[in-house]
Amino acid sequence: DAKTTQPNSMESNEEEPVHLPCNHSTISGTDYIHWYRQLPSQGPEYVIHGLTSNVNNRMASLAIAEDRKSSTLILHRATLRDAAVYYCILIRAGGTSYGKLTFGQGTILTVHP
Amino acid sequence: NAGVTQTPKFQVLKTGQSMTLQCAQDMNHEYMSWYRQDPGMGLRLIHYSVGAGITDQGEVPNGYNVSRSTTEDFPLRLLSAAPSQTSVYFCASSDPGETQYFGPGTRLLVL
Repeated sequence: DAKTTQPNSMESNEEEPVHLPCNHSTISGTDYIHWYRQLPSQGPEYVIHGLTSNVNNRMASLAIAEDRKSSTLILHRATLRDAAVYYCILIRAGGTSYGKLTFGQGTILTVHP
Repeated sequence: NAGVTQTPKFQVLKTGQSMTLQCAQDMNHEYMSWYRQDPGMGLRLIHYSVGAGITDQGEVPNGYNVSRSTTEDFPLRLLSAAPSQTSVYFCASSDPGETQYFGPGTRLLVL
């Protein structure tokens, strides 16, 4: 499976936008880019995913580079509840990949009041 | 829907004891997985299942057994607990091509 690279940690102030980067230079054409986050003492939860085009949902936006070698998760207005570890994960379409995610160490996001 | 449930929430074992971590989902998902998370680390896949009667190993399967007799349940068995198995265990489920839903976790301490 293709690997992803994320910064170990990032900080933000409350109500400011946050841009969380992810590099995936070895991504293949059928790999979807997924983002999960893990709040303290909880299991991971799905945030957003995309293939080629930018995606928006109620939680966040996902901006995907034209060459797909990198992506950015955008939290438009960070809140204290967004403090979590954010994981960028590549999942190959088809087969059983959806049942076996490969988690890196993720980015620890700290949000200051 | 209860989603993905895990029991127990906490467990303390002595070295050599065996136990079963329970996982159940009520979403009729085909895929179920077990992960462990050590302090400061990401999750690592232990075992997974793509349907009733079908299981396969993940990244760190040694010391653990699984079975999938029903769609709803996917128990994880520790055969002979070791201190290295002290961790937080997460169960997850999903449909093919869909996102995974995770349970709240079981914290296990092996003395």
